[in-house]
Amino acid sequence: DTEVTQTPKHLVMGMTNKKSLKCEQHMGHRAMYWYKQKAKKPPELMFVYSYEKLSINESVPSRFSPECPNSSLLNLHLHALQPEDSALYLCASSPRGGGRKLFFGSGTQLSVL
Amino acid sequence: DQQVKQNSPSLSVQEGRISILNCDYTNSMFDYFLWYKKYPAEGPTFLISISSIKDKNEDGRFTVFLNKSAKHLSLHIVPSQPGDSAVYFCAALPGTYKYIFGTGTRLKVLA
Repeated sequence: DTEVTQTPKHLVMGMTNKKSLKCEQHMGHRAMYWYKQKAKKPPELMFVYSYEKLSINESVPSRFSPECPNSSLLNLHLHALQPEDSALYLCASSPRGGGRKLFFGSGTQLSVL
Repeated sequence: DQQVKQNSPSLSVQEGRISILNCDYTNSMFDYFLWYKKYPAEGPTFLISISSIKDKNEDGRFTVFLNKSAKHLSLHIVPSQPGDSAVYFCAALPGTYKYIFGTGTRLKVLA
């Protein structure tokens, strides 16, 4: 099983809403990532959790709040987003910290109105 | 400052022929490289990777070549199939977690 599962697949939210993106993997990977991807651009790293601890925050605005409840789950809490935050949000995982292959989920297409 | 570059935004190839996608990098400390395939509104799918201790890695129709002296890698797809039409990203891993992606090349395989 090389699957990273993300829900929901699509999300439309207003600028005052609070929503959460969810990600799950059962490959025993201990590093989990959030990326943001705009059309025709490469994925842009947001956060990395290693062994359930936040390891990297790429200066992401506080309206994005990550959470790693356990080694299989990763959430991204969204609050007071801006229209420019509309993008494809990708979760990924890799084997024990520093593991080489990065596996992506199918993403959540987010539209902020 | 783009550390991983894919200078060809697009490529068209006839079905059955070879597709060659190129990627250049600037940092000689990069020691692991990956190729991903991406369809619109989907997550990237891992294709193949190569460590800097090797110069070639093969997996079925996909072969990645690494030229460390030129800081260049390429992905060969033989034979190309219409289902290979997608955007291809190369990525480099200079350390532990910070994968650096190129800007992508859109491959179109013509039937």
